Amino acid sequence: ELKVEQNPLFLSMQEGKNYTIYCNYSTTSDRLYWYRQDPGKSLESLFVLLSNGAVKQEGRLMASLDTKARLSTLHITAAVHDLSATYFCAVDINPRGAQKLVFGQGTRLTINP
Amino acid sequence: NAGVTQTPKFQVLKTGQSMTLQCAQDMNHEYMSWYRQDPGMGLRLIHYSVGAGITDQGEVPNGYNVSRSTTEDFPLRLLSAAPSQTSVYFCASSPLGGYGYTFGSGTRLTVV
Repeated sequence: ELKVEQNPLFLSMQEGKNYTIYCNYSTTSDRLYWYRQDPGKSLESLFVLLSNGAVKQEGRLMASLDTKARLSTLHITAAVHDLSATYFCAVDINPRGAQKLVFGQGTRLTINP
Repeated sequence: NAGVTQTPKFQVLKTGQSMTLQCAQDMNHEYMSWYRQDPGMGLRLIHYSVGAGITDQGEVPNGYNVSRSTTEDFPLRLLSAAPSQTSVYFCASSPLGGYGYTFGSGTRLTVV
């Protein structure tokens, strides 16, 4: 059974600091996604990582994928309050057919002024 | 362009009642899925479809039925609601060969 584990599950940090969220998964896949969810809202796609070594950046967020280590990271640089949200990684366990995403538990990020 | 539309947004059911959660997309996407979100557990796949007339089970299908008679619609039926089905339900769609899903706004269901 595929497991997708994020850590930490809760993260409280100050504005201006850097931090990393980790996403480990237990089976082979070369498709991994990062989503953001604000309270009471839907999921918003952040990054699509499709190969080993893929790195994507958008503003203060940068995501990377190491398929050999089965690890993805979401790095936050110089955090600002607007980045407060819950972040999910999701692994596609059927990358050659219909997409079947298995999600991590989510990391609730709170950024304090 | 409405994207993925879910109705209702909120629903309270009594144990044993049945209901249908509606999902419609106007992007002509082949793939559609239903997920449920529970605290501390991320999202879990209930059922999915790769096109009209084709559905399959996900990780947690028990107690739910689906059908897909058109490309646009993918309703989720609760046959006999149980308190364990209290959750937030998300419908999502994706084009064939696409990457990742577009999610609807969710239906918050409470079973008492």
